[in-house]
Amino acid sequence: GQQLNQSPQSMFIQEGEDVSMNCTSSSIFNTWLWYKQDPGEGPVLLIALYKAGELTSNGRLTAQFGITRKDSFLNISASIPSDVGIYFCAGPLPISGSARQLTFGSGTQLTVLP
Amino acid sequence: EPEVTQTPSHQVTQMGQEVILRCVPISNHLYFYWYRQILGQKVEFLVSFYNNEISEKSEIFDDQFSVERPDGSNFTLKIRSTKLEDSAMYFCASRGTFTSREQYFGPGTRLTVT
Repeated sequence: GQQLNQSPQSMFIQEGEDVSMNCTSSSIFNTWLWYKQDPGEGPVLLIALYKAGELTSNGRLTAQFGITRKDSFLNISASIPSDVGIYFCAGPLPISGSARQLTFGSGTQLTVLP
Repeated sequence: EPEVTQTPSHQVTQMGQEVILRCVPISNHLYFYWYRQILGQKVEFLVSFYNNEISEKSEIFDDQFSVERPDGSNFTLKIRSTKLEDSAMYFCASRGTFTSREQYFGPGTRLTVT
């Protein structure tokens, strides 16, 4: 099946540091969505990207839609303890048609050390 | 802020039993989805539903699964005869209109099959 490759798989950072993670695919996407998942909870939408080259911020979070439409990255600045969780990229493959079901990446587990 | 709700939060059942997982999507949303996440793995698409019928389904969504929108607010997933490998978190999601691309997820139901 289609794959979204996320890296790194896990990160351990000090509180206050900046974080960068990315997502790549062999397929072109028209939308990139970034979600955060806390343990035992559902994914929460952080940022949505709609066109190639787009750079969008949500507080300390910034995400970009790659120009090739095959990648996206998410940056978190000045990390805090509540940033801990799993970050997923997701998007609807073009073959999904009007249903636009999401394909998810494998996630980046972020741990913030005090 | 509108949100997707799911009940129960945790369901324990014996192998071979039927279970029904319930969801209330965001009011006025038109597209509904079920996803599942096996422990430690990524979120996987099961089925999408629009205009009172299934629009897409994955290979996972076999004859043991069915979905229904019994009234104007609820959206249910039924597993007819549960298997051990059905143990997972099940997430409901909804999307507003044909042109909207964001999907909003519920908190999930943890299904444990013993």
